[in-house]
Amino acid sequence: GAVVSQHPSWVICKSGTSVKIECRSLDFQATTMFWYRQFPKQSLMLMATSNEGSKATYEQGVEKDKFLINHASLTLSTLTVTSAHPEDSSFYICSARMIPGGSASRGSPLHFGNGTRLTVT
Amino acid sequence: AQKITQTQPGMFVQEKEAVTLDCTYDTSDPSYGLFWYKQPSSGEMIFLIYQGSYDQQNATEGRYSLNFQKARKSANLVISASQLGDSAMYFCAMREGTGTASKLTFGTGTRLQVTL
Repeated sequence: GAVVSQHPSWVICKSGTSVKIECRSLDFQATTMFWYRQFPKQSLMLMATSNEGSKATYEQGVEKDKFLINHASLTLSTLTVTSAHPEDSSFYICSARMIPGGSASRGSPLHFGNGTRLTVT
Repeated sequence: AQKITQTQPGMFVQEKEAVTLDCTYDTSDPSYGLFWYKQPSSGEMIFLIYQGSYDQQNATEGRYSLNFQKARKSANLVISASQLGDSAMYFCAMREGTGTASKLTFGTGTRLQVTL
């Protein structure tokens, strides 16, 4: 079953509004979560690393004031797209790594949420 | 420079045949991990297989195996006995270093289409 839950799965919003996307780790604690963005028919690009209890680490070129990340608990990270514009329309997907002891998979792979398809009109 | 290169944008394979999806990587870190993920049209990312840089043997997980050639820096995914449900995007990814905060970098993906 899913180990990372992401909500909503899709959202349509008007230009200028803000959208919040939630990412929850189920049955395990995640001190670190990762937020990726994927444009149609392209690869996943890391936007930022969300750290519980501290500021997120953003990748080069990602506007921290536009993509607000909050990781207030060990099981929840949120991404808020502020003042959304049509060019922000994309597939946003979060991921978390189960800390050793919580996963039987070798390499402690990232487990992904089902993604959020954002359309800004 | 690209850290992960997947040179096949699309591949076709007949049902029940085997297919190899190519992946090469570039890193100077001696400790790294290589992953393959499957992304169906629904969008979720499904972890398939992992290969550690220090692993002596090629990884296998059911119908998936990883042809790891360290000197050539390649980590090709082999899917045996292809099924229609294998049709999806496949991404190769690399994690450099260790620790829970070490990032995963993805290749551009290969779209696999399994035909009857």
